[in-house]
Order: sequence, then C-alpha cells, then structure tokens
Amino acid sequence: AQKVTQAQTEISVVEKEDVTLDCVYETRDTTYYLFWYKQPPSGELVFLIRRNSFDEQNEISGRYSWNFQKSTSSFNFTITASQVVDSAVYFCALSEARSGGGADGLTFGKGTHLIIQP
Amino acid sequence: SAVISQKPSRDICQRGTSLTIQCQVDSQVTMMFWYRQQPGQSLTLIATANQGSEATYESGFVIDKFPISRPNLTFSTLTVSNMSPEDSSIYLCSVVPGQGYGYTFGSGTRLTVV
Repeated sequence: AQKVTQAQTEISVVEKEDVTLDCVYETRDTTYYLFWYKQPPSGELVFLIRRNSFDEQNEISGRYSWNFQKSTSSFNFTITASQVVDSAVYFCALSEARSGGGADGLTFGKGTHLIIQP
Repeated sequence: SAVISQKPSRDICQRGTSLTIQCQVDSQVTMMFWYRQQPGQSLTLIATANQGSEATYESGFVIDKFPISRPNLTFSTLTVSNMSPEDSSIYLCSVVPGQGYGYTFGSGTRLTVV
C-alpha cells in the first residue's frame, strides 16, 4: 500500500526567508503521480503541482520550486522569499495508476502547517 | 479542469440522523472520490464511485455507514448515516484530473453532529 510522510508538522519562519517542505513517499507501482496542495485557513484545497513518476525534471513556478528524486522517494517543495500569504497547511499526496487508464484516489500526507511571520 | 458544486456547505445535525451530500460536476467524469477531513487532520479517502457499478470503499469505511450513489457521469451523493459526534468532519468530493492537472475538489461540507 502506498504511504506519504510529511515529517514536519509545523514550520515557522520570518517573511522573506526560504523554506523547504519535505515529502517522502512509498509505493510499489512503477507508474504513479505526486501532488502538492495548499489549504489556507479558508479551507479550500488549492492544487499546486502534479508530477508523473516518469518525469524527474524539477520544476520552478515563480517563488515555488519542486525537487523530485526517485532515488530517495522524495518530492520536496521550496518557497523562496516567503510571504505572509504563504501561511497555510501544505499537503503532499500520491496516486497510483489504474490498469486500463486513469488513477486511484489520493493518499495524503499529514500535512505541514507553515507559518510565515511578518 | 472540471468545476464541482458541492452542497450543503455546512450543516449541524442531531446524532442518530443521516445527511446526504451532493456533488455536481460540470463535465462528465468516470470516477469520483469522496474524502473525509477530521478536525485538524489530513484527508482520508472514503470511497471511489464509478458510474454504473458499486462504490469501492477503503479500509475502515463501510457501505452501511457511507452509502454512495452515482446515477450518472456528472453527479454523486454521499450519505453519512446514523451520525455520531465522531462523524463531525469536512467531507469533500473530487474528480480524476485530465492529463497534467491536479484532482479537482469540491468546496467541502462541514458537518457538525451534536
């Protein structure tokens, strides 16, 4: 069975600092998908990124970057020059491919509560 | 990506009663997923609902407690039956993404059982 571990329960940094959120996953499938979601205090889930298991390219989107390393089963998320608006709970999640197409439901990590202090 | 309308957005219910949550998607989707998020916790998959077949439940969730209907490719309901205070959670529906997209989630139903 798949598993996602986010060891950091809570991180608090001062605005403009860089911060990295760790995610380690376990799966027996060779084809799987990794995700990061943001859940601000308002409660909605905001999709940030999806990564396929066969695509190990790192990704940068503005102040956000993601480091996917299959060798260590990690998919870490870095926020550069953090801002107060980045304060939220961040979830890493995994789904496995279905035979015949599509994907299973998501397995979520426990989440990291990120607090950006002004 | 798909847009999901979920209702009710919140409800306060008496123990022993049942609540049905509805999710309407603006496009046809093969699979829909139902999740529970207990207070201060992560999301846990309850079941997968395919149109035209019985829902598939995850370990720890049973059909008698969480019956699901999937009458067509754009709609699904989750019922929380015989509720107790332990069922107080946010319930969310979700659909499978298109290529390159993330799973789309409904806005959630915040349920309080008293």
